[in-house]
Amino acid sequence: DAGVIQSPRHEVTEMGQEVTLRCKPISGHDYLFWYRQTMMRGLELLIYFNNNVPIDDSGMPEDRFSAKMPNASFSTLKIQPSEPRDSAVYFCASSGQGQGNQPQHFGDGTRLSIL
Amino acid sequence: LAKTTQPISMDSYEGQEVNITCSHNNIATNDYITWYQQFPSQGPRFIIQGYKTKVTNEVASLFIPADRKSSTLSLPRVSLSDTAVYYCLVGDMNTGFQKLVFGTGTRLLVSP
Repeated sequence: DAGVIQSPRHEVTEMGQEVTLRCKPISGHDYLFWYRQTMMRGLELLIYFNNNVPIDDSGMPEDRFSAKMPNASFSTLKIQPSEPRDSAVYFCASSGQGQGNQPQHFGDGTRLSIL
Repeated sequence: LAKTTQPISMDSYEGQEVNITCSHNNIATNDYITWYQQFPSQGPRFIIQGYKTKVTNEVASLFIPADRKSSTLSLPRVSLSDTAVYYCLVGDMNTGFQKLVFGTGTRLLVSP
């Protein structure tokens, strides 16, 4: 089990640039989540997908943020244009279905710095 | 939305048992209680989940009283490597993951 794989691990870019974060969920998992973590706001759920379909994007901060899941093994989170306040660690997680709340398996995150 | 309240931080020593309590007075009938652990520079990792009474696995135990308004994560004989942030989540995935809020967590520091 390779776990959830995120890339890149670190990203430093200038404000105004487009940023694309990538995620490969665990094979067979039906749910995929994108989170953002900052010291001030903690861990926030941005959006989640079920069977590649976005279910709830109410956590996406604004229209500059978008997420896609073109197939069961790949998802992207895009920020365009990026701003310094977007600096944070972005986590992707996936989970399966079953009784109760199936555990979410997190990747190691992408540390994003917008200068 | 079942809001949770945890201590911000706790200190312990190696070999001791650590109990972290989470309050969730508004827990709903179908809600489960889930605990995660997060080390620096890593994503949260699932520890244990329960609905009522007691659950035990190779890592921890989870105690849930009959009224389910609180829960206690018990870590037996902690080591330095247990230093981490511990999150309590309460909710039911069938009503939407936006309700499964991580909160501020409890920062556990284990000293020699």
